[in-house]
Amino acid sequence: DAKTTQPNSMESNEEEPVHLPCNHSTISGTDYIHWYRQLPSQGPEYVIHGLTSNVNNRMASLAIAEDRKSSTLILHRATLRDAAVYYCILRDPRRNYGQNFVFGPGTRLSVLP
Amino acid sequence: DTEVTQTPKHLVMGMTNKKSLKCEQHMGHRAMYWYKQKAKKPPELMFVYSYEKLSINESVPSRFSPECPNSSLLNLHLHALQPEDSALYLCASSHMGAQKGTDTQYFGPGTRLTVL
Repeated sequence: DAKTTQPNSMESNEEEPVHLPCNHSTISGTDYIHWYRQLPSQGPEYVIHGLTSNVNNRMASLAIAEDRKSSTLILHRATLRDAAVYYCILRDPRRNYGQNFVFGPGTRLSVLP
Repeated sequence: DTEVTQTPKHLVMGMTNKKSLKCEQHMGHRAMYWYKQKAKKPPELMFVYSYEKLSINESVPSRFSPECPNSSLLNLHLHALQPEDSALYLCASSHMGAQKGTDTQYFGPGTRLTVL
C-alpha cells in the first residue's frame, strides 16, 4: 500500500526555513517521492520529486533518508505565498506504469509575518 | 503554455440532472486524469486516460462517466448524482514519459460541484 504519513499542520515565520517531514516506510525500491502543494482555491502544483539522492530546484530541496523510508521537503526561506497544503505522494504500487498518484494526508503550512 | 483549464468553475445540480464537466490542455500531454477532492481531504484518483483510452477506473460509480474525445479534451458526464458526490473535481494532465514515475502532473483549478 502506497501510504504516507505527514503532520497535520505546521507553522513558520516569514523568511525562516521550513522542514516538512513525510514517512513512507512501505515505499518500493523504484518509486519516486513526489511533493505537490495546493494553494487556497487552486489545484495542486508540482514542487519537487526524487528517488534516492537529495534534490534541489528553485522552489525547494528534498532530503531523502538513506533507507528511503522518510523524506523532508525544505523551503529555505518561507514567504507568505508559501502558505499552502503540502502533499507527499507516492505512485500506486498496484500498477506498474503511469503516474497513478496516491496523495498523503497533507500538511497545512501557515506562514506568519 | 502550461495551463489546464476547467469549466465550469462552480456547478449546482439536482439529483435528477445531467451535467458535464470539461477539461482542456494544449501541452501535448497524452495522459489525463480526473480526481475528486472532498473538503479538507487530499485528492483521490478517479480515472486515467492514456492516449485517449481509459486505462484506470478506480471503482467509480457508473453515475460518473468519463470521455476523452481527443488528446486535448477530457469530459466527465454526471447523472443521478447524490449529495455526497458534492466535492471539488480536479483535472490533470502529464506526458507519458519513457521513465516511469517521473512525469509532472499539471492540475486545473477544479470545478466545485454541489448536488442538492
